[in-house]
Amino acid sequence: EIVLTQSPATLSLSPGQRATLSCRASQSVSNYLSWYQQKPGQAPRLLIYDAFNRATGIPARFSGSGSGTDFTLIISSLEPEDFAVYYCQQRSNWPLSFGGGTKVEIK
Amino acid sequence: QVQLVESGGDLVKPGGSLRLSCAASGFSFSEEYMIWIRQAPGKGLEWVSYISNDGNGIKYADSVRGRFTISRDNARNSLYLQMNSLRVEDTAVYYCARCRGLGNGAYFDYWGQGTRVTVSS
Repeated sequence: EIVLTQSPATLSLSPGQRATLSCRASQSVSNYLSWYQQKPGQAPRLLIYDAFNRATGIPARFSGSGSGTDFTLIISSLEPEDFAVYYCQQRSNWPLSFGGGTKVEIK
Repeated sequence: QVQLVESGGDLVKPGGSLRLSCAASGFSFSEEYMIWIRQAPGKGLEWVSYISNDGNGIKYADSVRGRFTISRDNARNSLYLQMNSLRVEDTAVYYCARCRGLGNGAYFDYWGQGTRVTVSS
């Protein structure tokens, strides 16, 4: 089973700042890595699929990069609505797996 | 627009059963692979079960295999999860989601709002 490790667990930033979230896989997942955003009481929302492709309707301030075992989600300038928990997920191998999440909180 | 609406969540005793439903609209349900994903209180996401568009391809997480059964009715645009022998650790919000990226696992582009299952004596 592929284990995804997200870091940091919590990121405390102010609106307008840049957020850099990391996801590391225990073995290569090629570029089969997605990112989701989840706000309290809501379902997750797909942000990025296959490492760098933005999902429909996702603002350009969200970008993904990486391949193999190391991936990054960047939010270039945090908006108030971006404070949430972010999960990565791999689809390279079954069983599918999610990372433990990074909470982006207001500093 | 794509909509997924789960129902059927409830409070049930350990060892009990529950059937979750997911009503789909706004897309051609019969052409899409679907999945159930759950989230225990305060925890992360865990995939539970996955089904192909025609129902012939099914996968289960080890944690539920032998206890849960996924199915679908394409005529009714509905996805189901029959949950038997429920355990306290099955307590979670259960989401249905549409799968994408077939040929190599899946990612999930639309999610329902979730239905809460609580297993407690």
